[in-house]
Amino acid sequence: DVKVTQSSRYLVKRTGEKVFLECVQDMDHENMFWYRQDPGLGLRLIYFSYDVKMKEKGDIPEGYSVSREKKERFSLILESASTNQTSMYLCASSLVTGDGDEQFFGPGTRLTVL
Amino acid sequence: QKEVEQNSGPLSVPEGAIASLNCTYSDRGSQSFFWYRQYSGKSPELIMFIYSNGDKEDGRFTAQLNKASQYVSLLIRDSQPSDSATYLCAVPWYSSASKIIFGSGTRLSIRP
Repeated sequence: DVKVTQSSRYLVKRTGEKVFLECVQDMDHENMFWYRQDPGLGLRLIYFSYDVKMKEKGDIPEGYSVSREKKERFSLILESASTNQTSMYLCASSLVTGDGDEQFFGPGTRLTVL
Repeated sequence: QKEVEQNSGPLSVPEGAIASLNCTYSDRGSQSFFWYRQYSGKSPELIMFIYSNGDKEDGRFTAQLNKASQYVSLLIRDSQPSDSATYLCAVPWYSSASKIIFGSGTRLSIRP
């Protein structure tokens, strides 16, 4: 059974703080993703990683960076948190099948930036 | 970039009826499509994947794909209150089958 875990369910930070969100998957998936989800805007891709140390920008990478030092772990970093980064953050992973890859999601982290 | 569009709803359907959810997409080259279900406060989970034109059935769920008209639909037969959720349509990016673009979702409410 695929399991994707995220380091926190709820997080409250102050403007300007550096924020780390961590995601771990236990199924040896090549791909990992970070999304944010906001009402009316759906799921938007922030960053995607297809291998260790490899990454691609998604739709909204500004203000974020990522790190993937190990296959099972993908971290999202907010260098200097701002109030407009208050959102639900979802991590996902998938196995490469070449035929449309099902993504498995973690429980999400609700981040509030004050 | 592709776009995926869904009516945000809410769509209210009486228990036992058929719920019909629609999704249109902009890229004629799209080959595969996903339907995810997201309960309030929970993460999305895959419920249907359809690759070819026509219908695909899984229990009470039927996905219908019409590539010529560029829409994909999800039918839920014998709707139950437990089907109340937001349903997200998704298609792979043209440049990478691993990345997918999600629609903003349709909120479905099944009334007893």
